[in-house]
Amino acid sequence: EDQVTQSPEALRLQEGESSSLNCSYTVSGLRGLFWYRQDPGKGPEFLFTLYSAGEEKEKERLKATLTKKESFLHITAPKPEDSATYLCAVRQGGSEKLVFGKGTKLTVNP
Amino acid sequence: NAGVTQTPKFQVLKTGQSMTLQCAQDMNHEYMSWYRQDPGMGLRLIHYSVGAGITDQGEVPNGYNVSRSTTEDFPLRLLSAAPSQTSVYFCASGVRNTEAFFGQGTRLTVV
Repeated sequence: EDQVTQSPEALRLQEGESSSLNCSYTVSGLRGLFWYRQDPGKGPEFLFTLYSAGEEKEKERLKATLTKKESFLHITAPKPEDSATYLCAVRQGGSEKLVFGKGTKLTVNP
Repeated sequence: NAGVTQTPKFQVLKTGQSMTLQCAQDMNHEYMSWYRQDPGMGLRLIHYSVGAGITDQGEVPNGYNVSRSTTEDFPLRLLSAAPSQTSVYFCASGVRNTEAFFGQGTRLTVV
């Protein structure tokens, strides 16, 4: 049973067309939810950490939010350079392990 | 700071060969881990370590060994390579309870 599910698997946007990516999780005792960006042929690049429901973090055109069951990565007025795969990961209580979702591949067309 | 450094970047092995993937970090991080990434499967944890001398298994440990003799290094050993181990391998490090920082990956092909 997947502990972390990301949707959609792929998303194609026009430049400037805002949207959201979803990460739902089923772990108990969440000790952190992490968002990463991964470009082709590269390692994941850290974006945000969220620790408790209601928390929000922002960076340029990206905003991450967290509820008790899911997290959203909102992308406002995206640009082609935002094209990448976005990964979500969770760490649950009592463990140092990071469990990843399968990612959302975002393509932003000019 | 170099961050997390993985070597080699690319490797081709024959079935049955053994090899070691190297991972080094210069950030004095306690936590280090190895993942493999396969199409449609996402990142899956192989082994991890919370400090020198301490290692534990992740989700897909079979066929791999690790050791952590120093804080800086966390090598991953393939004992007898199989085609099913063809993948991209990522090493990561971090401070406990915070985010992990990833290396650039090793692309391994087993023929």
